[in-house]
Amino acid sequence: KAGVTQTPRYLIKTRGQQVTLSCSPISGHRSVSWYQQTPGQGLQFLFEYFSETQRNKGNFPGRFSGRQFSNSRSEMNVSTLELGDSALYLCASSLGQLNQPQHFGDGTRLSIL
Amino acid sequence: QQQVKQSPQSLIVQKGGISIINCAYENTAFDYFPWYQQFPGKGPALLIAIRPDVSEKKEGRFTISFNKSAKQFSLHIMDSQPGDSATYFCAASSRGQNFVFGPGTRLSVLP
Repeated sequence: KAGVTQTPRYLIKTRGQQVTLSCSPISGHRSVSWYQQTPGQGLQFLFEYFSETQRNKGNFPGRFSGRQFSNSRSEMNVSTLELGDSALYLCASSLGQLNQPQHFGDGTRLSIL
Repeated sequence: QQQVKQSPQSLIVQKGGISIINCAYENTAFDYFPWYQQFPGKGPALLIAIRPDVSEKKEGRFTISFNKSAKQFSLHIMDSQPGDSATYFCAASSRGQNFVFGPGTRLSVLP
């Protein structure tokens, strides 16, 4: 069974630009969560989608948004990029019932110049 | 109250030794406690998880000990190997809430 796939693996952008990251969950998984990982802040929850609806949201500004498609694939968008947005963005999928194991992809490394 | 505290920040163990990482939480609503292992350039991989109805869970060389009254849980890695060198994260969640992760422990196992 294929794992969680995130594309692209690496991305370089400049301040003010916007970026879209993609996540394909494990087949059969209906929940997708996004996290930001930085050396200083660790793993921070961005949001979770289930059945195309945002079910949970972390404490990030509105520049961070996401969506989920009918096939459970998810995208995350960050607008007006700032230097502090440089991080590893991780996607995790789970079956969908609350409080179930999450399985992570290898992330997208976003660097802002 | 949503925090999960993790210690130590880094750990150096000799090959064959026991690695112990501790986590503590405040939110008594947490009822699922997974541990993740992350290698450089990779995403966290689920290692082992426990729910509060048991005090210990063992999978191979990895054991979770859970103390509900103290609101603490720990990961024990028996017979630690150089291949275990990675960053370990504890986490906690409750129904309807997102996962909260500890800050991580960088483990180095010396050959």
